[in-house]
Amino acid sequence: NAGVTQTPKFRVLKTGQSMTLLCAQDMNHEYMYWYRQDPGMGLRLIHYSVGEGTTAKGEVPDGYNVSRLKKQNFLLGLESAAPSQTSVYFCASSSGLAGGLTGELFFGEGSRLTVL
Amino acid sequence: GNSVTQMEGPVTLSEEAFLTINCTYTATGYPSLFWYVQYPGEGLQLLLKATKADDKGSNKGFEATYRKETTSFHLEKGSVQVSDSAVYFCALSPSQGGSEKLVFGKGTKLTVNP
Repeated sequence: NAGVTQTPKFRVLKTGQSMTLLCAQDMNHEYMYWYRQDPGMGLRLIHYSVGEGTTAKGEVPDGYNVSRLKKQNFLLGLESAAPSQTSVYFCASSSGLAGGLTGELFFGEGSRLTVL
Repeated sequence: GNSVTQMEGPVTLSEEAFLTINCTYTATGYPSLFWYVQYPGEGLQLLLKATKADDKGSNKGFEATYRKETTSFHLEKGSVQVSDSAVYFCALSPSQGGSEKLVFGKGTKLTVNP
């Protein structure tokens, strides 16, 4: 039961470097999300997608880009990493409106990113 | 706007103690309310939910009742176990919103000692 899979799980970057986090889900969900989790801040939505080929900004989108070329994949990119982007990143998916009504998001295990 | 406020942790209890984690919310209309749990090294997973006033959500011995009059959704468990050690998040979904509008609290870390 794969569910939501994130890669890589750990990464260390230098300021200014770029990288991409990959999220894959095998539940045929329409909605996918990227959150960041910081101590004392809870979860904050970065970007989300309501279907293949769509993306939208969340609460904290600056410094990030996303793409949803295939329904099962949602990529999060950092073009020029900054120390403020040191965080744990979580991908999640849900079955669209049903997810909204039931509140059930399915999360990956997280990707810990450190920017030096 | 919509917001969720949880009691600040960390919370440390002995095994078999009673647990309460307070959660209050601010929202227009009639939101749905949720508790998520995050075990060490894992992502969040839905623990329980309630979609209308006076509903009680329950799972794994945990309970929470949707109280509209006090805008609260406190999480309780009568006898905690070491395996309940985790971070607990209260969340709401606005009545008119999709899942992208889920609002999470900041989380409360629970440690249960044997």
